[in-house]
Amino acid sequence: TQLLEQSPQFLSIQEGENLTVYCNSSSVFSSLQWYRQEPGEGPVLLVTVVTGGEVKKLKRLTFQFGDARKDSSLHITAAQPGDTGLYLCAANPPMYSGGGADGLTFGKGTHLIIQP
Amino acid sequence: ETGVTQTPRHLVMGMTNKKSLKCEQHLGHNAMYWYKQSAKKPLELMFVYSLEERVENNSVPSRFSPECPNSSHLFLHLHTLQPEDSALYLCASSQDGGFTSGRIKPDEQFFGPGTRLTVL
Repeated sequence: TQLLEQSPQFLSIQEGENLTVYCNSSSVFSSLQWYRQEPGEGPVLLVTVVTGGEVKKLKRLTFQFGDARKDSSLHITAAQPGDTGLYLCAANPPMYSGGGADGLTFGKGTHLIIQP
Repeated sequence: ETGVTQTPRHLVMGMTNKKSLKCEQHLGHNAMYWYKQSAKKPLELMFVYSLEERVENNSVPSRFSPECPNSSHLFLHLHTLQPEDSALYLCASSQDGGFTSGRIKPDEQFFGPGTRLTVL
C-alpha cells in the first residue's frame, strides 16, 4: 500500500479546460508539497501547504490541503500547453525518527498533457 | 536552474563496470539526498546526508555506495549493477533545521536534473 495515492495517473485535456488532480493518504502529515517534473529534468517545487484547510494560489494553480491534513488537491484553471508535465505530491513520513534531515515520500504522480 | 547540478546527465554501463555519479549544490544547504526514479514507481529515497553524515540508508543494496566529502558535493559510486538498476538518479539538497525545528519545518528540497543510467 502506497503512503501517497495520486489520481488520476494520466490526464490528457484540451487547452483552456480546467482540471483537478488529487493526492490522498490515510496518514496525517505536518506538511505536503507539490512538485512538477518535466522530461529530462528533476522535480521543481511548486508549493508547500502546512495548515489544515489551507488554500494557496500560484497564478492559475490552486492548491488545497485537507482539513485533516491527509489529502491535497491541485486545480488548474484554463490549462495551457506549458502546464504539461508530471505532477508529484510529497510529504515527510508521519513517523518521527528523532530529528535531522529526512527524505521525502512521493506519490507516483499524475502525468498531465495539455493539447493545443 | 535550481542550483543543483549533476554529472553525467546520461550513463550507459555494463554490469561489471565501476562508475560514479556526481552532484554539486550551490545553495549553501547542509543536507543532500539521492533518489531513484523508475518507470511506474514513486521516487524512492536512497540516501540522506545531513551535515556530511549519513543519516539514513533505506536498505539500498551495497552495490550503491554514497560519499559526501563536504556539504556541497555528493557522489554515488556504482559497482556490479544489475539491469533493473537502470533508472533516473536524482540528487537533491535542503536546509536542515536540525533538532530544534524537528518536523515543524517542511523539508523543501531542490533537485538536480538527474543522471539517466542504463545498465546493459
